[in-house]
Amino acid sequence: GENVEQHPSTLSVQEGDSAVIKCTYSDSASNYFPWYKQELGKRPQLIIDIRSNVGEKKDQRIAVTLNKTAKHFSLHITETQPEDSAVYFCAASLDNYGQNFVFGPGTRLSVLP
Amino acid sequence: DTEVTQTPKHLVMGMTNKKSLKCEQHMGHRAMYWYKQKAKKPPELMFVYSYEKLSINESVPSRFSPECPNSSLLNLHLHALQPEDSALYLCASSQAPGHTDTQYFGPGTRLTVL
Repeated sequence: GENVEQHPSTLSVQEGDSAVIKCTYSDSASNYFPWYKQELGKRPQLIIDIRSNVGEKKDQRIAVTLNKTAKHFSLHITETQPEDSAVYFCAASLDNYGQNFVFGPGTRLSVLP
Repeated sequence: DTEVTQTPKHLVMGMTNKKSLKCEQHMGHRAMYWYKQKAKKPPELMFVYSYEKLSINESVPSRFSPECPNSSLLNLHLHALQPEDSALYLCASSQAPGHTDTQYFGPGTRLTVL
């Protein structure tokens, strides 16, 4: 089955700096890669996603890149703000009956003012 | 309505109690999910319902019993739970089974088993 690794497990950056979180997946058939942000005590919320037919996607300060050959994808946050502090989960999914996401273990991002 | 709702927000139960968690969405989604999330861990899939039918059961103990009464509602019935079942239980929904599609999560029910 699919296995998703995520690095680093914790990341501290100064406000205004960039943050990069990387995930690798094992199943080359996976074709959908969402990123979720989860603040303490809150629900996971989708912040950006990418499908396997696209190499990069950007939404304001957030971007995701996908390298299908190497089976890795990365989240890039520019001009970080204290409200970006949260746990970020990547996931990989196959086109199958009942959408089985496999989540990475998470990255705790702290943005220091 | 673009939200998944869950009740109750918090639940404390003894090991002999029977309780139920409820999830509701009115986005017309036909896939609904139950996840269990322990502290500092990612969500862990428990059950998937597609078109109101159970399609995935990730080897979950029988003390957890899911039910999908209609396309908008998802229940999780709890009976004879163990303290290690204490966790955040998240419901999610997505548009159509069989398609890679975004899952939208509810706020969760924080369950404590004494």
